[in-house]
Amino acid sequence: GAVVSQHPSWVICKSGTSVKIECRSLDFQATTMFWYRQFPKQSLMLMATSNEGSKATYEQGVEKDKFLINHASLTLSTLTVTSAHPEDSSFYICSARDDRDPNYGYTFGSGTRLTVV
Amino acid sequence: AQKVTQAQTEISVVEKEDVTLDCVYETRDTTYYLFWYKQPPSGELVFLIRRNSFDEQNEISGRYSWNFQKSTSSFNFTITASQVVDSAVYFCALSDSNDYKLSFGAGTTVTVRA
Repeated sequence: GAVVSQHPSWVICKSGTSVKIECRSLDFQATTMFWYRQFPKQSLMLMATSNEGSKATYEQGVEKDKFLINHASLTLSTLTVTSAHPEDSSFYICSARDDRDPNYGYTFGSGTRLTVV
Repeated sequence: AQKVTQAQTEISVVEKEDVTLDCVYETRDTTYYLFWYKQPPSGELVFLIRRNSFDEQNEISGRYSWNFQKSTSSFNFTITASQVVDSAVYFCALSDSNDYKLSFGAGTTVTVRA
C-alpha cells in the first residue's frame, strides 16, 4: 500500500531556532500534500495545502512566513517552522494525495512531535 | 462550508461490549467522501474506511461496521465485541470533490477496559 514517511518523529528545539519537517511519499507521486497541526486532545487542523511547483495555500489564521512550505518534487514536501516559540509546540502531521487516485489516496505520515523550549 | 460533528467526546466500555460512534456531517456538495480514521496513542492516523456519497451500502469488515445514511447525513461506526487494542481516538472526516481538503470531526476517545 501507499506509504508516507515523515521525519523527524520528534524534535526538541530552542526558542528562536528553525525546524524542518519532511514528508515523503515512498511509492507514489503526490502533486498535492497537506499539513496539519494537532494540539493535545484536539482534532487535526489543516494548516496548508502544498502543491508541487507552486506556492502553498494557507488556511485562514496560519502565518505563511512562520510556516514555510516547499514542495520541490512530486514526492517531497517540507514544512519549516521558523523562529519557533513554545506556543508552536504541537504534533504536526502530513498527508499525501496519491495522483493515481485523488479521491481516495489520503495517506498520512506518522507525525512529528515538536517541543520548543 | 463543510462540517463534521462527533458529539461523543469519550466513550468507556468493558471488553466485549459493542461501541457505536456517531458522525454527522454537513456539506452543500453532491459529490463528497467520508472517512473514518483511528489514532492510537502513538499518534499516527490509521485509515479505516472511505465512502463516497453515491455509495450508501453499509459495510462490515471484521468487527467493524459502518452505517451510512444520507437522509440523516450520518456515517456511524460500530465496533463489535470491543477489545483493549481498540482503545484510541477515532476521527470522522469529510472531503468534497472541489479541493479535496479533509475536514475532521473533533474525535471520540474510546477506552476499552479489560
